[in-house]
Amino acid sequence: DVKVTQSSRYLVKRTGEKVFLECVQDMDHENMFWYRQDPGLGLRLIYFSYDVKMKEKGDIPEGYSVSREKKERFSLILESASTNQTSMYLCASSLAAASGSHEQYFGPGTRLTVT
Amino acid sequence: AQSVSQHNHHVILSEAASLELGCNYSYGGTVNLFWYVQYPGQHLQLLLKYFSGDPLVKGIKGFEAEFIKSKFSFNLRKPSVQWSDTAEYFCAVMEDTDKLIFGTGTRLQVFP
Repeated sequence: DVKVTQSSRYLVKRTGEKVFLECVQDMDHENMFWYRQDPGLGLRLIYFSYDVKMKEKGDIPEGYSVSREKKERFSLILESASTNQTSMYLCASSLAAASGSHEQYFGPGTRLTVT
Repeated sequence: AQSVSQHNHHVILSEAASLELGCNYSYGGTVNLFWYVQYPGQHLQLLLKYFSGDPLVKGIKGFEAEFIKSKFSFNLRKPSVQWSDTAEYFCAVMEDTDKLIFGTGTRLQVFP
């Protein structure tokens, strides 16, 4: 069974703090993703990584950065948290599309509140 | 840019009623199509997917979806819903990359 874990289920931070959200997958997947989920807006892709040290911007990368130093771990960084970054953050992983499998597996999410 | 529309934002049904949730996408080329479900307090999980072949695909828990290329649609159906189907449902499209584009979701509430 694929398992995607996220470091925290709930997080409360203050405006201006640097925030790290960690994601680990145990199935040797090439691809990893960070989304934010907001009511009425669905899931929006923040960043995507298709290999170690490789990253690609998604639809809403502003205010975020990512790091992928090891294949199994993908970190989302909020350099200076702001209240409009209060949201549910979901991590996902998948095999490369060339494998024929396109399913993304999701973690439980981190609900971040910025006050 | 590719977009996905889910027309029903909130659907309320009684148990045993039939369900159809609409999904339309904008891309005209080859697409892979997905429905994901998020039960209260749980991970987002795959309900069903379409890559090619038979346009009527069956998923878990009695759900099915039909791909109609001419209408750019991939509607989700279930003939008889149960209280346990209460969840949020997301349609998603994958183009020729590994990235998914999600719709805004439909919240389904089923009452006994």
